[in-house]
Amino acid sequence: SYELTQPLSVSVALGQTARITCGGNNIGSKNVHWYQQKAGQAPVLVIYRDSSRPSGIPERFSGSNSGNTATLTISRAQAGDEADYYCQVWDSSAYVFGTGTKVTVL
Amino acid sequence: QVQLVESGGGVVQPGGSLRLSCAASGFTFSTYGMDWVRQAPGKGLEWVAFIRYDGNDKHYADSVKGRFTISRDNSKNTLYLQMNSLRLEDTAVYYCAAAATDAFDIWGQGTMVTVSS
Repeated sequence: SYELTQPLSVSVALGQTARITCGGNNIGSKNVHWYQQKAGQAPVLVIYRDSSRPSGIPERFSGSNSGNTATLTISRAQAGDEADYYCQVWDSSAYVFGTGTKVTVL
Repeated sequence: QVQLVESGGGVVQPGGSLRLSCAASGFTFSTYGMDWVRQAPGKGLEWVAFIRYDGNDKHYADSVKGRFTISRDNSKNTLYLQMNSLRLEDTAVYYCAAAATDAFDIWGQGTMVTVSS
């Protein structure tokens, strides 16, 4: 089955840029979606189809996808961005979530 | 407002059954694909099942295939998950999610299912 690998944790200084990677075999050929999950809350879609932002999501969130790696970038990180982040794809009639990355804002 | 509300969670013994419901409001339910996603305590997200907007296409994770059944009633704006032969490893918060395309645009707050003897 298809696997998506994310770093366990990423730390970023307040106001700086965080990059979260999502690795998968030829992931560049798939649509990648990203979700933010704050502690005790349901996930929220922050990027869909590699790089599109849903209504209400700040422009500080951006995405890219090429080759074997998709990346979620959080610019000008804020304390409120502390959360777990998950990538997701559809493969062989199943959705697959990444392993998840905990983002800490220092 | 746009909302998904899950219900039906609880404590059940191994081998038992449970039926979850997800009530939708504030959007055109009958035009959205619907999914169940679960999250075991302290773990990541795991997709469970998908049903097409008209109910005519369904897919399941290998971990629940043959034990869980997803269904929907568009006249009642409600999604269901029938869970049979429950195992300890099915213990999780179960979320329902709505997808206009292939991303999960709308999520419920989740309902806890605990399988314990």
